[in-house]
Amino acid sequence: AQTVTQSQPEMSVQEAETVTLSCTYDTSESDYYLFWYKQPPSRQMILVIRQEAYKQQNATENRFSVNFQKAAKSFSLKISDSQLGDAAMYFCAYQGSQGNLIFGKGTKLSVKP
Amino acid sequence: EPEVTQTPSHQVTQMGQEVILRCVPISNHLYFYWYRQILGQKVEFLVSFYNNEISEKSEIFDDQFSVERPDGSNFTLKIRSTKLEDSAMYFCASSEADSFLSYEQYFGPGTRLTVT
Repeated sequence: AQTVTQSQPEMSVQEAETVTLSCTYDTSESDYYLFWYKQPPSRQMILVIRQEAYKQQNATENRFSVNFQKAAKSFSLKISDSQLGDAAMYFCAYQGSQGNLIFGKGTKLSVKP
Repeated sequence: EPEVTQTPSHQVTQMGQEVILRCVPISNHLYFYWYRQILGQKVEFLVSFYNNEISEKSEIFDDQFSVERPDGSNFTLKIRSTKLEDSAMYFCASSEADSFLSYEQYFGPGTRLTVT
């Protein structure tokens, strides 16, 4: 069975600085997708970024980028120029052949002004 | 922009009662999902639904749970006899297709279920 591990329960970053959130996963599948979701206090799940496993190029979305290491089964999220609005829970998620998302336990990100 | 909607936003019920959580997926989507998140914990998959039948379900989705698409627009999750441990946020999600066509799952805002 696939698993997703986020080893950082909490992280903190100064406004305008850069922070990296870690995620590792375990799977025997070769085709899959990886996601980072943001969950603010409203608890709405918001997609931040997506990575297709067959793509070697790391995905980027404005200030958000990933470091995808397929052999190491690692998928970290880098947030550049952190803003107060980035404060939230961040969940790493795996999607394989069954279609459903498998989430990690999340990392709570605080942004200090 | 199309969005997934869920009602009610908050449901309080007594243990042993039946509850129905409602979702309206995005209109051209074909795959529907329910997830739940117990407070402070990770989001867990419950069930996926396609072509009017369950595609996959997790071990959480036992006989107390059922899903239905009664009228072509709503997608419902029923819990027959609620337990205290069913208290959680329940998220509905929908997508145009399955994972291998790389379609994003769009999440609704969630229904907070409180069982007393």
